[in-house]
Amino acid sequence: AQTVTQSQPEMSVQEAETVTLSCTYDTSESDYYLFWYKQPPSRQMILVIRQEAYKQQNATENRFSVNFQKAAKSFSLKISDSQLGDAAMYFCAYRGYGNKLVFGAGTILRVKS
Amino acid sequence: GAVVSQHPSWVICKSGTSVKIECRSLDFQATTMFWYRQFPKQSLMLMATSNEGSKATYEQGVEKDKFLINHASLTLSTLTVTSAHPEDSSFYICSAQWGGSSYNEQFFGPGTRLTVL
Repeated sequence: AQTVTQSQPEMSVQEAETVTLSCTYDTSESDYYLFWYKQPPSRQMILVIRQEAYKQQNATENRFSVNFQKAAKSFSLKISDSQLGDAAMYFCAYRGYGNKLVFGAGTILRVKS
Repeated sequence: GAVVSQHPSWVICKSGTSVKIECRSLDFQATTMFWYRQFPKQSLMLMATSNEGSKATYEQGVEKDKFLINHASLTLSTLTVTSAHPEDSSFYICSAQWGGSSYNEQFFGPGTRLTVL
């Protein structure tokens, strides 16, 4: 079975600074997708960024970028120029052949003004 | 992106009663819907996957008779918590996608908070 591990329960970042959230996963599948979701206090899940495993190029979405290391099974999220609105719970997730999303435990991100 | 709604957003019920939660895809046809459960400050745990017109597939450890899932149309899936007890109190989230491939994005509903007294 696939597993997703987020080893940072909580992170803090100063407004306008950069922060990196870590994620590792375990799978024997060769083709899969990786995601970062944001869950603000409203609890609405928001897709932040998505990475296809077959693509070597790291995905970027404005201030959000990933460092995808397939051999190491690592998928970290970098948030640049952090804003107060970035404060939320962030979940790393895996989706393989089974079409199911497997979530990590989550990382609470606090942004200090 | 596509919109998924849930109703109600918050429900309180007495122990022993049943509660129905609706999940609707508002602007697309959802061939597959997923139901998750989330405890406070914890991750989302998949409960079941439902395909339109078929019986739901439940994850290991999820009681089929307690959590009844119906996906009767391409825009509506329902989760009924039968004979609810305080330990069923949780946040329930649905998601929906068009098609059955992992390539298709899942769109999440806003969630339903269930409190059983």
